[in-house]
Amino acid sequence: ETGVTQTPRHLVMGMTNKKSLKCEQHLGHNAMYWYKQSAKKPLELMFVYSLEERVENNSVPSRFSPECPNSSHLFLHLHTLQPEDSALYLCASSQGRTRISYNEQFFGPGTRLTVL
Amino acid sequence: AQSVTQLGSHVSVSEGALVLLRCNYSSSVPPYLFWYVQYPNQGLQLLLKYTTGATLVKGINGFEAEFKKSETSFHLTKPSAHMSDAAEYFCAVSENTDKLIFGTGTRLQVFP
Repeated sequence: ETGVTQTPRHLVMGMTNKKSLKCEQHLGHNAMYWYKQSAKKPLELMFVYSLEERVENNSVPSRFSPECPNSSHLFLHLHTLQPEDSALYLCASSQGRTRISYNEQFFGPGTRLTVL
Repeated sequence: AQSVTQLGSHVSVSEGALVLLRCNYSSSVPPYLFWYVQYPNQGLQLLLKYTTGATLVKGINGFEAEFKKSETSFHLTKPSAHMSDAAEYFCAVSENTDKLIFGTGTRLQVFP
């Protein structure tokens, strides 16, 4: 595997279900991100982890719970979601704002989530 | 605070015509600027980036962008549009943190 991978690619869940999204980066980066992309809305940054510590939480509802067990893996745990949470969830990684990477982010293909 | 403005949420061009997607930014630190492209149901892919040095940056698929500090702009151009260029394009500026600030995106349609 190369780059940033996300599983599953598609997920349909009921409002009472609990599920998790997984992201893995194979680039040796030290920062990982979750974004939400809804139709006709700007890209929304949800969470940022740098060196496995959460450094950003953009007022995301508690029904979304991130976990970063190590610098290569990032999870987004979902429970009691609402239909308006249906969106494309994108994971990204970067080496941070250094003289080498300039904070360039590499994105995974996303998980298309539908909440019924 | 840094911000990005993309003028025009939709741009339509004919195949073979010039593509111009506009991006203006505000930044209190020397900006690092990016253009990303997103094809349907896919993640974002880097087209090109400006960090330092030459202000005209060439990217993949024949795209280029020019950093103009005096105009705080980083517009994306391609001399001749191809049907495969139809996608959504995002401009972004790097904050002095681990974050990228994205614009709202411009959807490019290419007509035969």
